[in-house]
Amino acid sequence: SAVISQKPSRDICQRGTSLTIQCQVDSQVTMMFWYRQQPGQSLTLIATANQGSEATYESGFVIDKFPISRPNLTFSTLTVSNMSPEDSSIYLCSSRDRGNGELFFGEGSRLTVL
Amino acid sequence: GQNIDQPTEMTATEGAIVQINCTYQTSGFNGLFWYQQHAGEAPTFLSYNVLDGLEEKGRFSSFLSRSKGYSYLLLKELQMKDSASYLCAVRDGTSGTYKYIFGTGTRLKVLA
Repeated sequence: SAVISQKPSRDICQRGTSLTIQCQVDSQVTMMFWYRQQPGQSLTLIATANQGSEATYESGFVIDKFPISRPNLTFSTLTVSNMSPEDSSIYLCSSRDRGNGELFFGEGSRLTVL
Repeated sequence: GQNIDQPTEMTATEGAIVQINCTYQTSGFNGLFWYQQHAGEAPTFLSYNVLDGLEEKGRFSSFLSRSKGYSYLLLKELQMKDSASYLCAVRDGTSGTYKYIFGTGTRLKVLA
């Protein structure tokens, strides 16, 4: 399957600031998915990002807080805006393999908000 | 909406067999996936079921019953390295595009 490079791998951020996470895929993919994984929890889908259209957000997530870009078929960014300690989490980007359609993931970005 | 439930924690002994269950409720079911996640790492794909029945891949097998909204992952000949979280995920096509919803996850501890 394709490989996703995600950065930053971790960061410590101040309350009120914003941070952008980048994901680069080594092949063209139609759909990319952004997940959040809070400590000790499973993965929660934030939004689905298709190239050329606005991202589709899940209940509880809004574009103003988590703006997403998808400028081409190999790249996407997620910004966590106006961060608070409750945003401390691991953020994962993923895409779908062309075989069975299983997801493959970037390495994750562990954000700590002070 | 979707509900995907798994037991929170399980403990088993090295060499034994363990079954991790997953129950789901979703309107647009289009496949069920199992992932393994070691602490500090991203999830990795284990198995996939879209039709009823058992899929076997080495020490790992996964079963699906669509009518019951039920799946399980079976791990045989447990090894210490199998200590990890196991996540089931349902692919849902309700919205017209696929999205993948993860269950609550099961932390498995394998004891010597």
